[in-house]
Amino acid sequence: DQQVKQNSPSLSVQEGRISILNCDYTNSMFDYFLWYKKYPAEGPTFLISISSIKDKNEDGRFTVFLNKSAKHLSLHIVPSQPGDSAVYFCAASAQGGSEKLVFGKGMKLTVNP
Amino acid sequence: NAGVTQTPKFRILKIGQSMTLQCTQDMNHNYMYWYRQDPGMGLKLIYYSVGAGITDKGEVPNGYNVSRSTTEDFPLRLELAAPSQTSVYFCATGAQINEKLFFGSGTQLSVL
Repeated sequence: DQQVKQNSPSLSVQEGRISILNCDYTNSMFDYFLWYKKYPAEGPTFLISISSIKDKNEDGRFTVFLNKSAKHLSLHIVPSQPGDSAVYFCAASAQGGSEKLVFGKGMKLTVNP
Repeated sequence: NAGVTQTPKFRILKIGQSMTLQCTQDMNHNYMYWYRQDPGMGLKLIYYSVGAGITDKGEVPNGYNVSRSTTEDFPLRLELAAPSQTSVYFCATGAQINEKLFFGSGTQLSVL
């Protein structure tokens, strides 16, 4: 049973436009969420996180929004750049983040020049 | 400062062979993890460790063993390789269990 779902396997956007990556979760105990970015032949790297006490967290071009009632979070990248082309993983944890991370399947973002 | 180093990067095994995937970190993190990533799938936790001498099973531990004799090293052992263990393996570390993880570059393993 998938507790963290990234239902769209891929997304293609034009450079300069907004990229919106979505993630849904089923476990109501999750209260800490992270996004990781992965380039081919490399390990994932941490991108941005959000605690359930917030509904938005921003870091430069990256913003994560959390809708607890809908059990949904999204990552916005504005403006998108070709270097953002990668696989993005959503991850979640419970107990204030003290539980182990549960990862989604990932979504491949392609930003076209 | 190398961070998290995994060796080897690639390996082909025959069914029934054994091997050890090495993971070394120089970040002085207590928490270390082994994940596998199958094509089109997310990361599945195999084993983890909260400190030297302490290990515990993750979501998919069958067919694997680990040890943690030092803070720096967390090797993953495959005893009798099976085709189902064909995957990319990632080692990761964290300062706390809920901290952002730092991943190695991965080991691509094929069992034929």
